Amino acid sequence: AQSVTQLDSQVPVFEEAPVELRCNYSSSVSVYLFWYVQYPNQGLQLLLKYLSGSTLVKGINGFEAEFNKSQTSFHLRKPSVHISDTAEYFCAVRASGNTPLVFGKGTRLSVIA
Amino acid sequence: EAQVTQNPRYLITVTGKKLTVTCSQNMNHEYMSWYRQDPGLGLRQIYYSMNVEVTDKGDVPEGYKVSRKEKRNFPLILESPSPNQTSLYFCASSPTPWGNYGYTFGSGTRLTVV
Repeated sequence: AQSVTQLDSQVPVFEEAPVELRCNYSSSVSVYLFWYVQYPNQGLQLLLKYLSGSTLVKGINGFEAEFNKSQTSFHLRKPSVHISDTAEYFCAVRASGNTPLVFGKGTRLSVIA
Repeated sequence: EAQVTQNPRYLITVTGKKLTVTCSQNMNHEYMSWYRQDPGLGLRQIYYSMNVEVTDKGDVPEGYKVSRKEKRNFPLILESPSPNQTSLYFCASSPTPWGNYGYTFGSGTRLTVV
């Protein structure tokens, strides 16, 4: 079965600094990868997804992620964070075929003014 | 607007008193799922449904029931709630059970069992 590891449970960063949230998944022949964001007191919303093609995926709010097959990683990055980016971020993976979406445990990003 | 609607948003109940959390989607999605979110544990799947009348257990099904009598609705039933079911619950849906679709989530139900 697929598994997802988010290496950092909490990431504090100063406003306008760059950030990287790390995500590794267990290997599979073919996977679909997602990042979700959960703002305080809200549900999860899709930030970006990798299905195929270019390994660099751009999402909403200036975030991007890079699929690295050899390292089985899908790290999320933003060059300059804002206070409004404070949220919990979840990485998720879905293998091809009849398999459900598997979520990581989340990384809480705190942006400090 | 395409959405997943959960009710109620907040619920405080007593141990043993049966309750139902409703979930409805207006996107004609086949796949629906319930998760609970707890600090440090992330999202854990409770039950899911591939289609009408087709449901199956997720990772943490004990103490919960579900039903899928019609495509749009997927209620979560706690027959005899206990304090360890205090949690934040999310319903999600997807067009199909597999493939390259992500999930659409509801806004969540915060349940407290005292």
